[in-house]
Amino acid sequence: KAGVTQTPRYLIKTRGQQVTLSCSPISGHRSVSWYQQTPGQGLQFLFEYFSETQRNKGNFPGRFSGRQFSNSRSEMNVSTLELGDSALYLCASSPRSSGNTIYFGEGSWLTVV
Amino acid sequence: DAKTTQPPSMDCAEGRAANLPCNHSTISGNEYVYWYRQIHSQGPQYIIHGLKNNETNEMASLIITEDRKSSTLILPHATLRDTAVYYCIVRGASGNTPLVFGKGTRLSVIA
Repeated sequence: KAGVTQTPRYLIKTRGQQVTLSCSPISGHRSVSWYQQTPGQGLQFLFEYFSETQRNKGNFPGRFSGRQFSNSRSEMNVSTLELGDSALYLCASSPRSSGNTIYFGEGSWLTVV
Repeated sequence: DAKTTQPPSMDCAEGRAANLPCNHSTISGNEYVYWYRQIHSQGPQYIIHGLKNNETNEMASLIITEDRKSSTLILPHATLRDTAVYYCIVRGASGNTPLVFGKGTRLSVIA
């Protein structure tokens, strides 16, 4: 069974630009979550999507957004990039049942210059 | 904020058992204890989780105290590839509860 797949793995953007990251969850998983990891703040929850609807949201500004498609794939977008947005962005998927396990992808490394 | 307390770092000799402690004194009755690890520059890897009983899988064993206020992750025969940051996370039973990561324990397995 294929794991969580994220693309691209590495990217470099310039301040003020926007970026879109993609995630394909494990087959059969309908919940997709996104996390940001930085050296200063550690791993932080961004948001979760289930059945194409955002169900949970972390404490991030509105520049961070996402969406989920009918096939459970998800994208997240960061607009007006700032240097502080440089981070590892992790996608995770789960079946969203009680006591379920969340599985992570390898992440997308974003560098903002 | 994370609901768990872990030592910042530990060393373990290769081939020996690695015992990683976690304190979760405010855990609620329906909250699970999850363990993940993160090898440098990779996504977190699920290891094991439990509610009340001890659990074992092909990677590790999880020992939860009777009062559920602490737990220990045991890697029975640590190898150099087990060097990673290990996160102990308390998470509600509801399927929509996100993971709240603390700083974890950096385990160094030494040859």
